[in-house]
Amino acid sequence: DAKTTQPNSMESNEEEPVHLPCNHSTISGTDYIHWYRQLPSQGPEYVIHGLTSNVNNRMASLAIAEDRKSSTLILHRATLRDAAVYYCTSGGSSNTGKLIFGQGTTLQVKP
Amino acid sequence: EPEVTQTPSHQVTQMGQEVILRCVPISNHLYFYWYRQILGQKVEFLVSFYNNEISEKSEIFDDQFSVERPDGSNFTLKIRSTKLEDSAMYFCASRFPPLGEEESYEQYFGPGTRLTVT
Repeated sequence: DAKTTQPNSMESNEEEPVHLPCNHSTISGTDYIHWYRQLPSQGPEYVIHGLTSNVNNRMASLAIAEDRKSSTLILHRATLRDAAVYYCTSGGSSNTGKLIFGQGTTLQVKP
Repeated sequence: EPEVTQTPSHQVTQMGQEVILRCVPISNHLYFYWYRQILGQKVEFLVSFYNNEISEKSEIFDDQFSVERPDGSNFTLKIRSTKLEDSAMYFCASRFPPLGEEESYEQYFGPGTRLTVT
């Protein structure tokens, strides 16, 4: 199982973009990169996933390095409701789909 | 919007007792999971379940744990003889199989059951 490494915490101001980095240097060639977030007292919530190309959805963008050893989750305009723990995960696309979570990045958003 | 539900929200039990945590996955999903999160720690995979059998389990999921889909809608996690270290938040998740090239591996998580073993 590939290991992911993220900064423990980050701060952002409301309405500003946030770039959340993740290192996954041991990820296999066929493993997707998934991002989930966990709001206080809730279960994890899917944010976005990708394999090689950059991806956009209504919640965020995902920029994947060409060598796939790292990726960056981009929240274009942080809101107070985006304060959460963000997890970069490996797996999710194996036959079983299990997700391997790292410690995650706690994002604080200041008004 | 469909959602995964879990009951109870909080379960307190004494060491050595059996507990059953219940989950109702989203109705057309075919893959089911249990994860746990000890307070202040990361989310850990326990087990995946597909086609009425365990497809993968972690080292945490020892003989004290079992899963069942008894009636086509519920998905349960049983801990036969609880230990203090089983105290954690337990999350159920489910997903639909990826559809061809438009792969979607999104897992939907329930709100969790907080298990406290005293």
